[in-house]
Amino acid sequence: DAKTTQPTSMDCAEGRAANLPCNHSTISGNEYVYWYRQIHSQGPQYIIHGLKNNETNEMASLIITEDRKSSTLILPHATLRDTAVYYCIVSPDSNYQLIWGAGTKLIIKP
Amino acid sequence: KAGVTQTPRYLIKTRGQQVTLSCSPISGHRSVSWYQQTPGQGLQFLFEYFSETQRNKGNFPGRFSGRQFSNSRSEMNVSTLELGDSALYLCASSLGGIEEKLFFGSGTQLSVL
Repeated sequence: DAKTTQPTSMDCAEGRAANLPCNHSTISGNEYVYWYRQIHSQGPQYIIHGLKNNETNEMASLIITEDRKSSTLILPHATLRDTAVYYCIVSPDSNYQLIWGAGTKLIIKP
Repeated sequence: KAGVTQTPRYLIKTRGQQVTLSCSPISGHRSVSWYQQTPGQGLQFLFEYFSETQRNKGNFPGRFSGRQFSNSRSEMNVSTLELGDSALYLCASSLGGIEEKLFFGSGTQLSVL
């Protein structure tokens, strides 16, 4: 079973910040939180990952709560091309496999 | 740097046949993972290879198998195809460490008739 819980879908206006929440209440101390997205008919694309501290790269920011039980992915200025399914994943278990949930379908509206 | 290449992009087979899918990882990547994606089940892990050895396997029947060559290219094979095997098959490559980003190919869309 997926270790994360995400809303099924979200809308965001173009140009606004998109904030995607994720709950991972059973995360252990050495597990990372990863975010990927999948645009229709393509393979998933890595966005960002983090352990404890907040992270930022050219695509997004990742905010992890102090207790690490939840996180938020922030796309600062959403564009229509950001419409995709966003997956929040807790890092591989000892078997190096990722367990994917259903993700959040983010729709950016003009 | 070239990305992950999967061939073929589309494939149509009939029940009972077998199929082989190919994945060429990013140069320098030693790990290749395979995933099955269906509308009902989402992305499910099939297996992962690292330096020609299967390091991990998901919960799929023995009809699903794979291998990795010395140049890190990987193939997966599905024998005795069933209608339920219709799916998008994705491969991902990485350097192979536990905290590594996965780079995915565009997938092979398999339809079983």
